[in-house]
Amino acid sequence: DTGVSQDPRHKITKRGQNVTFRCDPISEHNRLYWYRQTLGQGPEFLTYFQNEAQLEKSRLLSDRFSAERPKGSFSTLEIQRTEQGDSAMYLCASSLVFSNTEAFFGQGTRLTVV
Amino acid sequence: SQQGEEDPQALSIQEGENATMNCSYKTSINNLQWYRQNSGRGLVHLILIRSNEREKHSGRLRVTLDTSKKSSSLLITASRAADTASYFCASYTGGFKTIFGAGTRLFVKA
Repeated sequence: DTGVSQDPRHKITKRGQNVTFRCDPISEHNRLYWYRQTLGQGPEFLTYFQNEAQLEKSRLLSDRFSAERPKGSFSTLEIQRTEQGDSAMYLCASSLVFSNTEAFFGQGTRLTVV
Repeated sequence: SQQGEEDPQALSIQEGENATMNCSYKTSINNLQWYRQNSGRGLVHLILIRSNEREKHSGRLRVTLDTSKKSSSLLITASRAADTASYFCASYTGGFKTIFGAGTRLFVKA
């Protein structure tokens, strides 16, 4: 296992288009997180899964955002009707079920909305 | 809003010098973690310190935690050009999520 994998690494899209990102966590990790990071800022929590259940969502996750983890393995994050303000790095992380452990991050997907 | 705040926002030092970054947080934590991020890349976990620990070492890294002041510091000794990166503290408060600060940008000049 080579760690958390995210695809694509970069995405340029026109305003109003829908985009979908994929995250493959470390195989034995049942916790999966999505974060968003804008330039010069730290990552902001978006949502969290334990297995296939989405247990927490940030207020940052508007109705245009939806995340799934259908079989408790990989996850997708979809943004509908993208806006320029959605331009950011979208980071995925995974961890073991015990909460006091580190999270392993993927390389991120950089979204640019033009 | 972000849970933690790092200080300073940016730090420029010469290779071989020590770098100290501070982090403050707002509510009680279970643990606090430090991460490094190279430009445009993902985050790499450096060290985790639990709420009942006061100091922890890992190689050239030394982390302290003062829960009474709700603060932590990261010391990088004998810095190298390769240490140039952004450093984030992240506090875990329970509830399954970890909250990051805005980061300290460290630049180590060769």
